[in-house]
Amino acid sequence: DTGVSQNPRHKITKRGQNVTFRCDPISEHNRLYWYRQTLGQGPEFLTYFQNEAQLEKSRLLSDRFSAERPKGSFSTLEIQRTEQGDSAMYLCASSYGERREQFFGPGTRLTVL
Amino acid sequence: DQQVKQNSPSLSVQEGRISILNCDYTNSMFDYFLWYKKYPAEGPTFLISISSIKDKNEDGRFTVFLNKSAKHLSLHIVPSQPGDSAVYFCAASAGGTDKLIFGTGTRLQVFP
Repeated sequence: DTGVSQNPRHKITKRGQNVTFRCDPISEHNRLYWYRQTLGQGPEFLTYFQNEAQLEKSRLLSDRFSAERPKGSFSTLEIQRTEQGDSAMYLCASSYGERREQFFGPGTRLTVL
Repeated sequence: DQQVKQNSPSLSVQEGRISILNCDYTNSMFDYFLWYKKYPAEGPTFLISISSIKDKNEDGRFTVFLNKSAKHLSLHIVPSQPGDSAVYFCAASAGGTDKLIFGTGTRLQVFP
């Protein structure tokens, strides 16, 4: 069991650019979640997939954000026209079946200049 | 609206003693609670969880207590070790939704 992996680990971009992050969940985990964490705060829920279906989106997920999980395996999170307020740690987590424990990846730290 | 609150931003405990981390919640629909540990530059690591049908769950040095009437839970670490030094997050979820609602964390420092 290799754990949840995320790439890249760090991303520095200029305001207005688009960025895409990738998450590979634990093998056979059918549920995948995206969270965002800023300094001094706990992770905040963004969106969640069960297999390839996106079942819930937070109001934090503006129309500049889009997430996909095309084959029910890995997922991508894209941010278009990045803003300085998008600077944060983006965390991916996965879970299996009916179990409610979520297992997190190491995160992607985004810095928007 | 902070539904999960960790009112102590930091806690310092001597090695070998008990660490008690506290968490309060406001949403009575929460039925599952979790504790995560986080080191710098890493993602949160799952520690222990408890369902609302229980009032205690134990796993090695870690015990979580749930007081539903007070909407309060606590994590006990006995004995505390220097490797336990990290930020601890309390999280909760409500049946029917899988999203976790996190507190703001408590930084635990265990000193020799």
